[in-house]
Amino acid sequence: NAGVTQTPKFRILKIGQSMTLQCTQDMNHNYMYWYRQDPGMGLKLIYYSVGAGITDKGEVPNGYNVSRSTTEDFPLRLELAAPSQTSVYFCASSYPGTSGGDNEQFFGPGTRLTVL
Amino acid sequence: RKEVEQDPGPFNVPEGATVAFNCTYSNSASQSFFWYRQDCRKEPKLLMSVYSSGNEDGRFTAQLNRASQYISLLIRDSKLSDSATYLCVGLMNRDDKIIFGKGTRLHILP
Repeated sequence: NAGVTQTPKFRILKIGQSMTLQCTQDMNHNYMYWYRQDPGMGLKLIYYSVGAGITDKGEVPNGYNVSRSTTEDFPLRLELAAPSQTSVYFCASSYPGTSGGDNEQFFGPGTRLTVL
Repeated sequence: RKEVEQDPGPFNVPEGATVAFNCTYSNSASQSFFWYRQDCRKEPKLLMSVYSSGNEDGRFTAQLNRASQYISLLIRDSKLSDSATYLCVGLMNRDDKIIFGKGTRLHILP
């Protein structure tokens, strides 16, 4: 298994540009998540999904959109990039997302985004 | 009060020493807790789950105190490779929401 993969690894955007951060997992996990991590800070949840066709806002959803058309893929879209969106973005997945040891979240390697 | 709170550190500890840090949580209905480890510029990875009865994995011991609403992580005989940021994570009952603490930075000194 490749686990959780993210592309691209790095990206520089100009203000107002748009882009999609890709996330794919091959573990057949129901739950998927997008986080951002600013320097020296913890993870903040942007959006999450409990299954294909279902998405929900997290703590900091403004400026982002997601879709979940398949179990494997959970892309994150930035429509109008702003300097405040400069961050490291982590995608994660888990199964089934409820009690017990199954709650482990598996993270992708992250995408480092800079908006200038 | 933040849902999951940690001392950001850094904790500078000599190699071989024992180090412990706590994490407090505000929601008494929180269901499950975990410690994740994050190396510099890397993704977080699960270190261990935390059970009410406590659990031990080699040099690492995690405890949950529901009465006082905190969890702890104890590292014995610390190694240079233990240097990392340790994230406290809580799973909330009501909506399966997972809350990450901001992390505690640990530096093991040779």
